[in-house]
Amino acid sequence: AQTVTQSQPEMSVQEAETVTLSCTYDTSESDYYLFWYKQPPSRQMILVIRQEAYKQQNATENRFSVNFQKAAKSFSLKISDSQLGDAAMYFCAYRPDYGGATNKLIFGTGTLLAVQP
Amino acid sequence: GAGVSQSPRYKVAKRGQDVALRCDPISGHVSLFWYQQALGQGPEFLTYFQNEAQLDKSGLPSDRFFAERPEGSVSTLKIQRTQQEDSAVYLCASSLLAGVEADTQYFGPGTRLTVL
Repeated sequence: AQTVTQSQPEMSVQEAETVTLSCTYDTSESDYYLFWYKQPPSRQMILVIRQEAYKQQNATENRFSVNFQKAAKSFSLKISDSQLGDAAMYFCAYRPDYGGATNKLIFGTGTLLAVQP
Repeated sequence: GAGVSQSPRYKVAKRGQDVALRCDPISGHVSLFWYQQALGQGPEFLTYFQNEAQLDKSGLPSDRFFAERPEGSVSTLKIQRTQQEDSAVYLCASSLLAGVEADTQYFGPGTRLTVL
């Protein structure tokens, strides 16, 4: 069974600094998708960034980028120029891609990010 | 609507009561998912609909949990004879496509269920 592990329950960063959130996963599949979701205190999950496993290039969305290491099964999120609005719970999620099956997401336990002014 | 909506946002039930949680997905979205998020945990998959068909209910924890989406739009998650361990936030998500397409799941704000 696929699993997702986030080993950092809490992280803190100074405003305008850079922080990296870690995520590892376990799968025997070769094709899959990885996501980072942000869940602010209002609890509505928002997609931050996604990565297709077949793509070697790391995904980037403005201040957010990932370091995808397929062989190591590692998928870390880097937030540059951190802003107060980045404070939230961040979840790493895995989704298999084996055709016709449920596209359910498998989530890690989350990392709570605090941004200090 | 602009996003996924869920109602009620908060529900308090006495142990043994039945509850019904509603999800309004984004209009036109084919796929609908229910997740359960216990306190301090990541969401866990409960069930999946493709239009009105419930294609995967492998995550439902017991036969007290039942979900439906009769017309392929609004979905209801029903929990019968609620137990304290059912206390959690129930999240609904929808996505435009189905099958192998890698499209984004959009989440609702969730319903926080507390069973006393």
